Amino acid sequence: QVQLVESGGGLVKPGGSLRLSCAASGFRFSDFYMNWIRQAPGKGPEWISYISTGGDIMYYADSVRGRFTISRDNARNSLYLQMNSLRAEDTAIYYCARAYNWFDPWGQGTLVTVSS
Amino acid sequence: QSALTQPASVSGSPGQSITISCTGTSSDIGFYNYVSWYQQHPGKAPKVVIYDVSDRPSGVSHRFSGSKSGNTASLTISGLQAEDEADYYCSSWTASSLWVFGGGTKLTV
Repeated sequence: QVQLVESGGGLVKPGGSLRLSCAASGFRFSDFYMNWIRQAPGKGPEWISYISTGGDIMYYADSVRGRFTISRDNARNSLYLQMNSLRAEDTAIYYCARAYNWFDPWGQGTLVTVSS
Repeated sequence: QSALTQPASVSGSPGQSITISCTGTSSDIGFYNYVSWYQQHPGKAPKVVIYDVSDRPSGVSHRFSGSKSGNTASLTISGLQAEDEADYYCSSWTASSLWVFGGGTKLTV
């Protein structure tokens, strides 16, 4: 079945870096745009980035542009999010999601906590 | 990009119908038919229940329906059941080539 599994979250100090991964299975990964979406505790989801099938088109939300970088490896069926200059307000569960004109499915998420 | 506007909470009794609104602008909901709705139970990832304004994924109950008028989209759940109690979020594509979500509505059954 279609499955997305995120990993790489954890506790990091303000100003630090973290790299998230998303392993895809059950579908032809290279045929789909992919997204990262985050959800801060008690808040609604916030879309933060998407990447085209070939990895040549990337878009970012204003809140992360210049600090986060999305990438993919179609040979490994994997999506990545490099997060630099992390701030307390980046604390959230980070989900990867397959893109149509909607998001389906979502992974189970990985928690990123930015705190000193 | 500003978030879409949803009521913080709605409630209904089993068997009743409820409607959740989602208000955007002429640059998102008002321009594109790429509105989707997500159901989220506590501790779980969101799950799509409506896409492209009014289409329902296979496996989602026919009790869920969506519509749009101008800059406002709506999700209607008929024949409320206890399992429908969850948070609901709307989302839309925008003219900035970005996605935007609503702040969420807590449904109490």
